Amino acid sequence: DAMVIQNPRYQVTQFGKPVTLSCSQTLNHNVMYWYQQKSSQAPKLLFHYYDKDFNNEADTPDNFQSRRPNTSFCFLDIRSPGLGDAAMYLCATSQTGYTEAFFGQGTRLTVV
Amino acid sequence: GESVGLHLPTLSVQEGDNSIINCAYSNSASDYFIWYKQESGKGPQFIIDIRSNMDKRQGQRVTVLLNKTVKHLSLQIAATQPGDSAVYFCAENRQAGTALIFGKGTTLSVSS
Repeated sequence: DAMVIQNPRYQVTQFGKPVTLSCSQTLNHNVMYWYQQKSSQAPKLLFHYYDKDFNNEADTPDNFQSRRPNTSFCFLDIRSPGLGDAAMYLCATSQTGYTEAFFGQGTRLTVV
Repeated sequence: GESVGLHLPTLSVQEGDNSIINCAYSNSASDYFIWYKQESGKGPQFIIDIRSNMDKRQGQRVTVLLNKTVKHLSLQIAATQPGDSAVYFCAENRQAGTALIFGKGTTLSVSS
């Protein structure tokens, strides 16, 4: 059974039109991560939550926001997607950050 | 992690050979490391982890070696199989926190 679920698997959005990607987990983990992965590159950490504590990476554009309304769900909001934001977006969870991080299958975002 | 001359973006081996994938990490304060395998179109999959109080850890057909002096991590895969073909990433827990940062990947190709 999938433990980290990302919806949708594929998302097409228009240039400049806000889009939200979602992630849910059944593991009750404290930490939830959002990564951006472009073709042939490593996943790049955008931000992560430890419980309700939000941690933004210094180079994450302001265009990217996140919400974690409860333990199970986390959302990635892209306020005004540009063509350069087309990528695979990966969600992951970890019990403490010092244990294995489990990844979802990702959402592939296309910007047209 | 950043390459210090040890990282190879691609590695090609014959089925049955042993594979060694290297990674140089960037932060001497990092104290937890994970190797992930990523197949095309999928999220990263956990292989093995190691903490900084260890220098070697073994799993099924895989061994991770950690050299903190030179900030180097390696993944050894014994008797490599075609199903091992994928991109392999090392990841480090960057600080006394929970940020999990990925290094550059190595594409492993296994031929029969």
